[in-house]
Amino acid sequence: DAKTTQPTSMDCAEGRAANLPCNHSTISGNEYVYWYRQIHSQGPQYIIHGLKNNETNEMASLIITEDRKSSTLILPHATLRDTAVYYCIVRVKGGGNKLTFGTGTQLKVEL
Amino acid sequence: ETGVTQSPTHLIKTRGQQVTLRCSSQSGHNTVSWYQQALGQGPQFIFQYYREEENGRGNFPPRFSGLQFPNYSSELNVNALELDDSALYLCASSWGHPGENTEAFFGQGTRLTVV
Repeated sequence: DAKTTQPTSMDCAEGRAANLPCNHSTISGNEYVYWYRQIHSQGPQYIIHGLKNNETNEMASLIITEDRKSSTLILPHATLRDTAVYYCIVRVKGGGNKLTFGTGTQLKVEL
Repeated sequence: ETGVTQSPTHLIKTRGQQVTLRCSSQSGHNTVSWYQQALGQGPQFIFQYYREEENGRGNFPPRFSGLQFPNYSSELNVNALELDDSALYLCASSWGHPGENTEAFFGQGTRLTVV
């Protein structure tokens, strides 16, 4: 699976959009971009995934650049409960539950 | 709540001992995987089971072993515990063949401390 690079930490004001970047410059054509988050003392939680088109669900939006070398996870209206470590993961189809986590981005949402 | 439950939530063991951790998958899920998460690190993949057979393994020694039962619940066994085995152990389950990309649902984990 391709390696990803994320900032160590980010801050966001409550109610504002949180934009979390991820670089995956060595991604190959059959690899998907997945995002998970882990709130303190809990197991990771799936957020969203995509291949090359932008995706949106009830939790977030995923913007993937045209060359697919980077992506951005957008939480449109961050709340205090969104404070967590966010992991960007690149994986091939067929990996089952095998996910390669890095150290992620610690997002802190403040009043 | 993901429907994936792990037991126990906390455990303290002595170096050299053996430990068994348990996971009950979400109803209908036939694939289960185990992860080790050291403090301040992301989870590391240990292995995955699909329909009671191991289907992929990470870079962990043979003293880490597992089982998946017909009801798709699972166990993680660790023999000859070392101090570095102290970590949060996470179980994740999903539905479908490992050849597909599916969403993994994680449990809350078991915090193992080896002294």
